[in-house]
Amino acid sequence: EAGVTQSPTHLIKTRGQQVTLRCSPISGHTSVYWYQQALGLGLQFLLWYDEGEERNRGNFPPRFSGRQFPNYSSELNVNALELEDSALYLCASSLWTSGSRQTQYFGPGTRLLVL
Amino acid sequence: QKEVEQNSGPLSVPEGAIASLNCTYSDRGSQSFFWYRQYSGKSPELIMFIYSNGDKEDGRFTAQLNKASQYVSLLIRDSQPSDSATYLCAVISNFGNEKLTFGTGTRLTIIP
Repeated sequence: EAGVTQSPTHLIKTRGQQVTLRCSPISGHTSVYWYQQALGLGLQFLLWYDEGEERNRGNFPPRFSGRQFPNYSSELNVNALELEDSALYLCASSLWTSGSRQTQYFGPGTRLLVL
Repeated sequence: QKEVEQNSGPLSVPEGAIASLNCTYSDRGSQSFFWYRQYSGKSPELIMFIYSNGDKEDGRFTAQLNKASQYVSLLIRDSQPSDSATYLCAVISNFGNEKLTFGTGTRLTIIP
């Protein structure tokens, strides 16, 4: 069974540009999560999508946004890039149902460098 | 106070010994607890999850949860050099809020 996939693997952008990262969940999973892992800051929760809707959002500015498509894949968009946005962006997926416990499985990540 | 705290290490353990990793959390109502392993430059890989007080064993790994003391630990028996990695403790606070809150991780080195 294929795991979570992400594209691209690496990306270099300059300040002020916009970037779109993509994620395909494990087959059968309906929830997608985005996390940021910046150097020295640990993994920080960004966004959670389930069944096409945004369910939860972390403490990030509105220039971080995303969406989930009918096939459950997801995009993360970051506008007006800043130097501190340089990080590994991780996508995870799970099969989430209300009231149940679930486990998130991570993709390989997209490494973004902002110059 | 950080929501999830781990000793950053590095923790050095001889090959074949038991490695003990600890994690404390601040939200007493937390429901789900996870251990992930992350090799340098790679993404986190799930090792174990635990929901109830007590021990849960899976091969060489044992997770221990004590909700009254708000700590969760991971024991690695018969440590191998391939176990050298950063171990991340993660917590989900409550049902319906599926945000994983991570500790900063403990860097473990197994010495051959």
